[in-house]
Amino acid sequence: DTGVSQDPRHKITKRGQNVTFRCDPISEHNRLYWYRQTLGQGPEFLTYFQNEAQLEKSRLLSDRFSAERPKGSFSTLEIQRTEQGDSAMYLCASSYSVGSSSYEQYFGPGTRLTVT
Amino acid sequence: KNQVEQSPQSLIILEGKNCTLQCNYTVSPFSNLRWYKQDTGRGPVSLTIMTFSENTKSNGRYTATLDADTKQSSLHITASQLSDSASYICVVSANFNKFYFGSGTKLNVKP
Repeated sequence: DTGVSQDPRHKITKRGQNVTFRCDPISEHNRLYWYRQTLGQGPEFLTYFQNEAQLEKSRLLSDRFSAERPKGSFSTLEIQRTEQGDSAMYLCASSYSVGSSSYEQYFGPGTRLTVT
Repeated sequence: KNQVEQSPQSLIILEGKNCTLQCNYTVSPFSNLRWYKQDTGRGPVSLTIMTFSENTKSNGRYTATLDADTKQSSLHITASQLSDSASYICVVSANFNKFYFGSGTKLNVKP
């Protein structure tokens, strides 16, 4: 399967715990995006990387959230001291970009986080 | 303010019937518009992508239209099937660099 993969698919954690999600993009894609999606809503942008550089972060990305893409390939999203409001689907997408232009995004299956 | 609004929020139709979903946007500068299908608990999957100069594009039973003057798009589904039950999300790109998502239309096709 050469699509975008995410791990884990589901995560249940207790409030206050830290969680980390992983995203493996399509191999030739240089851009990687993280989104959060709550029930009945469209995805909300969190952050994106161009290769290993994190170029933009949304105001939704509080200081409890950190994302990395150390070698320009896979990425991790960590949430520290989770809160119940963090419960959502976390989606990763990747795309190929040339200069400042990004082509179609391909989404992964998402990681469903439940904070109890 | 860059926004994408979709209507209706939800829709129930009988199998075999047609339906049309709407997307209005205020995103500028406009680059392209995509329609995605998202099954429950899965990531979105692209259906169509349209640039400024394209008025209509088809993908099987899905036909998307774009009116760049009025900043409106529609997705028409013909002869609906049970497997069409999903959320349909409109995404507008600005400067080929930023993506603005609608809240989606939840379609339920009943037998």
